[in-house]
Amino acid sequence: NAGVTQTPKFQVLKTGQSMTLQCAQDMNHEYMSWYRQDPGMGLRLIHYSVGAGITDQGEVPNGYNVSRSTTEDFPLRLLSAAPSQTSVYFCASSWTGFDQPQHFGDGTRLSIL
Amino acid sequence: GENVEQHPSTLSVQEGDSAVIKCTYSDSASNYFPWYKQELGKRPQLIIDIRSNVGEKKDQRIAVTLNKTAKHFSLHITETQPEDSAVYFCAASGADFGNEKLTFGTGTRLTIIP
Repeated sequence: NAGVTQTPKFQVLKTGQSMTLQCAQDMNHEYMSWYRQDPGMGLRLIHYSVGAGITDQGEVPNGYNVSRSTTEDFPLRLLSAAPSQTSVYFCASSWTGFDQPQHFGDGTRLSIL
Repeated sequence: GENVEQHPSTLSVQEGDSAVIKCTYSDSASNYFPWYKQELGKRPQLIIDIRSNVGEKKDQRIAVTLNKTAKHFSLHITETQPEDSAVYFCAASGADFGNEKLTFGTGTRLTIIP
């Protein structure tokens, strides 16, 4: 049981490039979410999903896309990377809601030059 | 939407002393309040949580108290140890559709001085 697995762990991009951050969980959790963590700002919700085929926006969704075709996977796409998207990105999952323990991945440290 | 404020942003205590971190929230409909611990370079991990029908919850050296009237909750760590050094985040979540998302505070960096 690997829990929540994120890849890659580190990535450097140039402004304007696109990329996909991968997130997979093997706990059969319904809820999955993406957060970004910036110094002094805590964890801010980007997008989340309450089940396969269902996604919704969080607090800071601009510049990011998500999809949820399977229960296990929830990739985050940066459409056209900007320096303001330099951050540490965490994926999390939980059984059936935000009012339950969130299981976080190890994070992806992303730098946009 | 929900707004969670956390204080202090940094806290240093002598080993063996107690540490208290406080959070306030804005949405009276919030009913779930977890605390996460994040060690340097690691993932956040849940250490304790409390629901609105309970005023206090303890787990060994860690306790959380909730005052729904004043809309604030606190984390108490007693007999602090070096391994308690980390960043701690509070959060709040509602139950109603549309406000069920988890909103985090900005974090408290706790340093235990040996």
